[in-house]
Amino acid sequence: ILNVEQSPQSLHVQEGDSTNFTCSFPSSNFYALHWYRWETAKSPEALFVMTLNGDEKKKGRISATLNTKEGYSYLYIKGSQPEDSATYLCASPSDSSYKLIFGSGTRLLVRP
Amino acid sequence: GAVVSQHPSWVICKSGTSVKIECRSLDFQATTMFWYRQFPKQSLMLMATSNEGSKATYEQGVEKDKFLINHASLTLSTLTVTSAHPEDSSFYICSALTPSNTGELFFGEGSRLTVL
Repeated sequence: ILNVEQSPQSLHVQEGDSTNFTCSFPSSNFYALHWYRWETAKSPEALFVMTLNGDEKKKGRISATLNTKEGYSYLYIKGSQPEDSATYLCASPSDSSYKLIFGSGTRLLVRP
Repeated sequence: GAVVSQHPSWVICKSGTSVKIECRSLDFQATTMFWYRQFPKQSLMLMATSNEGSKATYEQGVEKDKFLINHASLTLSTLTVTSAHPEDSSFYICSALTPSNTGELFFGEGSRLTVL
């Protein structure tokens, strides 16, 4: 069974701080790595879908990198804002289907 | 962007009754939808894959007779928790695979089920 792990479990930062968190996954039989943002009382929202080793994607102040050989992805948030407060989930399919296995998430709280 | 709507958001029912949760793709056709369950402080656990026009495929350990899934149209999948018991109390959330073939999912808002 594919095991996707995220760290830290939670993170409190001050507005304006930059932050990053980690997603680890098995490096063998890699298909894709997804990042989602899940704000309270809303639906999880897709941030990135990454497939290539060394890939880096960016959306505004948020970016992500992927290392498939060592089995990790980093999500970076530059200049955190209170509206960035959410749970950030990563997920990966265990096979060539689109069934995603999710990590337990990193809960980010940005204090004004 | 693609929108997935899930209903109801909250449901409280008596033990032994059945509860139906609906998941609709509002502006696209979803041949494949996924149902997840989340226990407190745990990750989203995949329960089953819902395929339009065919039987759902369930993950290991998920009782198909307890969690009935029907995907009768390209925009609607339903999850029915039959003969619910307190241990079925949980957060259930659906997602739909977009037609873009990236594997990206669009999620509903989730449903909180409490069985008394």
